[in-house]
Amino acid sequence: GQQVMQIPQYQHVQEGEDFTTYCNSSTTLSNIQWYKQRPGGHPVFLIQLVKSGEVKKQKRLTFQFGEAKKNSSLHITATQTTDVGTYFCAGPGTASKLTFGTGTRLQVTL
Amino acid sequence: NAGVTQTPKFQVLKTGQSMTLQCAQDMNHEYMSWYRQDPGMGLRLIHYSVGAGITDQGEVPNGYNVSRSTTEDFPLRLLSAAPSQTSVYFCASSYSRGARMDNEQFFGPGTRLTVL
Repeated sequence: GQQVMQIPQYQHVQEGEDFTTYCNSSTTLSNIQWYKQRPGGHPVFLIQLVKSGEVKKQKRLTFQFGEAKKNSSLHITATQTTDVGTYFCAGPGTASKLTFGTGTRLQVTL
Repeated sequence: NAGVTQTPKFQVLKTGQSMTLQCAQDMNHEYMSWYRQDPGMGLRLIHYSVGAGITDQGEVPNGYNVSRSTTEDFPLRLLSAAPSQTSVYFCASSYSRGARMDNEQFFGPGTRLTVL
């Protein structure tokens, strides 16, 4: 079945440093979504990418969808402590299923 | 709007006990789903429903049952709890129904289940 992997599994940065997480699907995706889960919380939708090569920005967050629509990335510029959490990508699988990636946990210290 | 609500927030069960995790949404979403979250394994789909009266299996359905008698409610039943079912369970809903799954998923706050 479809697999969605994310790297790294965990990253610890100093506040102000940049952060990037990568998402790779075993199949071509019609779209990809990104979610953020704060510690102890539930996943919250951030954004959806649909077009090949699409780039979207939300303040310090930049999301990119690969040309082949099999990979995606999330880049955070100048991290803040409020960025702490786990970031998940998700893509449609077979039938009406959404497959989530394994997640990247981000820790930010002062 | 309350969004997606789940009860209980925490539960401890003994091996072999059964219980039902409740999930309700007030957004008139046709699509609802259950995920379990374990450390390092992301969110794994247990069961999903594309509308009242229709349910289907996800990635890890064994040991769980679901039903969808109304649009609003999607309970998850553990038939005979096992320690391997210790996890955090999230219910989610969205407008998505088709293969594209291109609508935002709204998650409930989760139920933290421990099976001894």
